[in-house]
Amino acid sequence: DAKTTQPPSMDCAEGRAANLPCNHSTISGNEYVYWYRQIHSQGPQYIIHGLKNNETNEMASLIITEDRKSSTLILPHATLRDTAVYYCIVMSGTASKLTFGTGTRLQVTL
Amino acid sequence: DAGVIQSPRHEVTEMGQEVTLRCKPISGHNSLFWYRQTMMRGLELLIYFNNNVPIDDSGMPEDRFSAKMPNASFSTLKIQPSEPRDSAVYFCASSLGSGGAGELFFGEGSRLTVL
Repeated sequence: DAKTTQPPSMDCAEGRAANLPCNHSTISGNEYVYWYRQIHSQGPQYIIHGLKNNETNEMASLIITEDRKSSTLILPHATLRDTAVYYCIVMSGTASKLTFGTGTRLQVTL
Repeated sequence: DAGVIQSPRHEVTEMGQEVTLRCKPISGHNSLFWYRQTMMRGLELLIYFNNNVPIDDSGMPEDRFSAKMPNASFSTLKIQPSEPRDSAVYFCASSLGSGGAGELFFGEGSRLTVL
């Protein structure tokens, strides 16, 4: 699976959009981009995934660049409860296991 | 749905003792994963099962670790004998489907402390 690069930490004011970047320049054609988050002391939680097109669900939006070498997870109106470590993971559609990196620690502040 | 259920939530034991962690996956899910999380090494995949069969145990640290899945609704991770370096949070997760197992549902974890 392709390697991903994320900033180690970010801050965001409550109510503002949180934009979390991920670089995956070596992604191949059959690899998906997955996002998870882990709130302190809890198990990781699936957020969203995509292949080529932008995706949106009730939690977030995923914007994937046209060349697929990077993506951005957008939390449209961040709240204090969104404070967590966010993991960007690239995995092929036929793979069976998810490998976590170090992620981005997002701190949402008042 | 109750989600993935793990027990115990917390375990404190002494070096050399046997530890058994338990997991009940979400009903209908056919893949099950055991992860370990420490500050130093982050989240590591230990082993995963598909349809109750172990598929990849390359992440199991050593022979002291063993995992079983006797049926679709139950799995155990056993450490015998335990050592202080095994102290970690152990997560169980389950998913639908054998391929493209990207959407995992995690339990709340079992925090193990080995003294």
